Amino acid sequence: DTEVTQTPKHLVMGMTNKKSLKCEQHMGHRAMYWYKQKAKKPPELMFVYSYEKLSINESVPSRFSPECPNSSLLNLHLHALQPEDSALYLCASSQYGLAGGSYNEQFFGPGTRLTVL
Amino acid sequence: GQQLNQSPQSMFIQEGEDVSMNCTSSSIFNTWLWYKQDPGEGPVLLIALYKAGELTSNGRLTAQFGITRKDSFLNISASIPSDVGIYFCAGLRAGGTSYGKLTFGQGTILTVHP
Repeated sequence: DTEVTQTPKHLVMGMTNKKSLKCEQHMGHRAMYWYKQKAKKPPELMFVYSYEKLSINESVPSRFSPECPNSSLLNLHLHALQPEDSALYLCASSQYGLAGGSYNEQFFGPGTRLTVL
Repeated sequence: GQQLNQSPQSMFIQEGEDVSMNCTSSSIFNTWLWYKQDPGEGPVLLIALYKAGELTSNGRLTAQFGITRKDSFLNISASIPSDVGIYFCAGLRAGGTSYGKLTFGQGTILTVHP
């Protein structure tokens, strides 16, 4: 199994809603990432979990709350989002933790298309 | 944050033509990666390069890690309609304050006319 899976594929939510995005990998990877991507732009890093510990928070607003329940799962909890938060949210994983060296390429999931009304 | 300089920004080609795109940086990377992204999907890793000077092929794709470790190129031979998409280069550092983080190029949008 060489896949990163994400659910849901699409999500529409109001600004007062609470929702969660889910990501799963069964490759035994030790680092997992959340990215935000706007149309035709490169992904922007939001959070990194390395060995199930939050290692990087790229100054993301508190309305985004990550969670890593175990080494295979990564969640992104959403609350009180703004319309400008509408984007494709990507999860990725890499074999080693952040300090894994050169052979630590990242594999991306298919993404969740989020629309905030 | 820092981005790699990726060119061209877009390409419009005929089916069967060869394609070349490249990325340059002012700083050194330990690993160069090339991804392809289809609309509404996540980036898919095409080729990973780990050593300066390394030349790697994956079917019709060929990529090279520059000798200076500050650049990389991707070639696609005999393009087909399913090559359409956005191609991103990405660099990875093994040390320093940005270790483990990917630095992306701005992307090359490829359109292939049948």
